[in-house]
Amino acid sequence: NAGVTQTPKFRVLKTGQSMTLLCAQDMNHEYMYWYRQDPGMGLRLIHYSVGEGTTAKGEVPDGYNVSRLKKQNFLLGLESAAPSQTSVYFCASKVGGTGTQYFGPGTRLLVL
Amino acid sequence: DQQVKQNSPSLSVQEGRISILNCDYTNSMFDYFLWYKKYPAEGPTFLISISSIKDKNEDGRFTVFLNKSAKHLSLHIVPSQPGDSAVYFCAASEQGGSEKLVFGKGTKLTVNP
Repeated sequence: NAGVTQTPKFRVLKTGQSMTLLCAQDMNHEYMYWYRQDPGMGLRLIHYSVGEGTTAKGEVPDGYNVSRLKKQNFLLGLESAAPSQTSVYFCASKVGGTGTQYFGPGTRLLVL
Repeated sequence: DQQVKQNSPSLSVQEGRISILNCDYTNSMFDYFLWYKKYPAEGPTFLISISSIKDKNEDGRFTVFLNKSAKHLSLHIVPSQPGDSAVYFCAASEQGGSEKLVFGKGTKLTVNP
């Protein structure tokens, strides 16, 4: 039982490049989330999903897209990376309802 | 507008003493509150939670107090240990924790041996 895993752990992009961050969970959780953490800013919600095939916008969705084609996976895409998207990205999942969110180890992204 | 506020960016305490981390919120619809702990280069891990129907929840050395009238909660760690040194995030949600959490900016706790 690996919990929540994130791929890759670290990535450097040039401005304008695209990439996809992968989040996978093996706990059969319904809900999945993408956050970004910036210095002094705490965790801010980018997008989330309450079930397979569903997605919804969070607090800071601009510049990102997501897909939840399979229950266990939640993909975060950057179509044209910008330096402002340099951050640490965390994925989380929970069973649903009042369940606790479980976080992955994070992906550190640097956009030059 | 920041709905969850942790006004102390850092806190330093001696090993064995009490650590008190504070959190204020502005949204009166919040009814479920959580504390997460985060070590460097790791994801946040759940520590303790409290529902608005309670004013205290205890788990070992960790106790969370909720004062709904003041829209304030606090996390007490007794006794503090060096391994408690981490960033602590307060989070809140509406509807008993369903869907979204709103996080504070975090407080970095340092426990000195």
